[in-house]
Amino acid sequence: ELKVEQNPLFLSMQEGKNYTIYCNYSTTSDRLYWYRQDPGKSLESLFVLLSNGAVKQEGRLMASLDTKARLSTLHITAAVHDLSATYFCAVDDMRFGAGTRLTVKP
Amino acid sequence: GAVVSQHPSRVICKSGTSVKIECRSLDFQATTMFWYRQFPKQSLMLMATSNEGSKATYEQGVEKDKFLINHASLTLSTLTVTSAHPEDSSFYICSASRQGRLLAYEQYFGPGTRLTVT
Repeated sequence: ELKVEQNPLFLSMQEGKNYTIYCNYSTTSDRLYWYRQDPGKSLESLFVLLSNGAVKQEGRLMASLDTKARLSTLHITAAVHDLSATYFCAVDDMRFGAGTRLTVKP
Repeated sequence: GAVVSQHPSRVICKSGTSVKIECRSLDFQATTMFWYRQFPKQSLMLMATSNEGSKATYEQGVEKDKFLINHASLTLSTLTVTSAHPEDSSFYICSASRQGRLLAYEQYFGPGTRLTVT
């Protein structure tokens, strides 16, 4: 059975700091998605990664995919409070990781 | 951009009644629609996948007779929670996909429906 594991599950960081969220999956997957969810809201699409070595960046967030290692990372650069949310990764059959609840403190 | 709507956004119903939730893709035709449920502070759990005009594919452990999915057109899917019970209270989210330029199935999520069964 396909498993999608994220870590950490909870992340509290200071503004201005960098950090990485990891997403491991157990079987081959052609696509990897990253989403953001604010409390009480639905999901916002951040990135779709389509191939090995894919890297995408939007503002302070950068996502990468290593299909050989079955690993995707979401890197946060110089965090700001507005990035506080829960971040989910998902694989191509729409199975989600548990989510990483990020809190950015001033 | 692609927009997916859900109706209603919130519903409270009594135990034993049925509730229908609609999911519409407003400005595109969706090849596939997905239904999820999410308990507080938990991840999304895929319930079923539906393609227009065919029966939905349910995930293991999801009762087909309890969660009826109808995908009548390329822009509309409905989820009916039959004989709802308090344990069915949850946040239900649909998503719709279309084939992107790179053959990637981009997912567009609806705003969700919060169901409370009393």
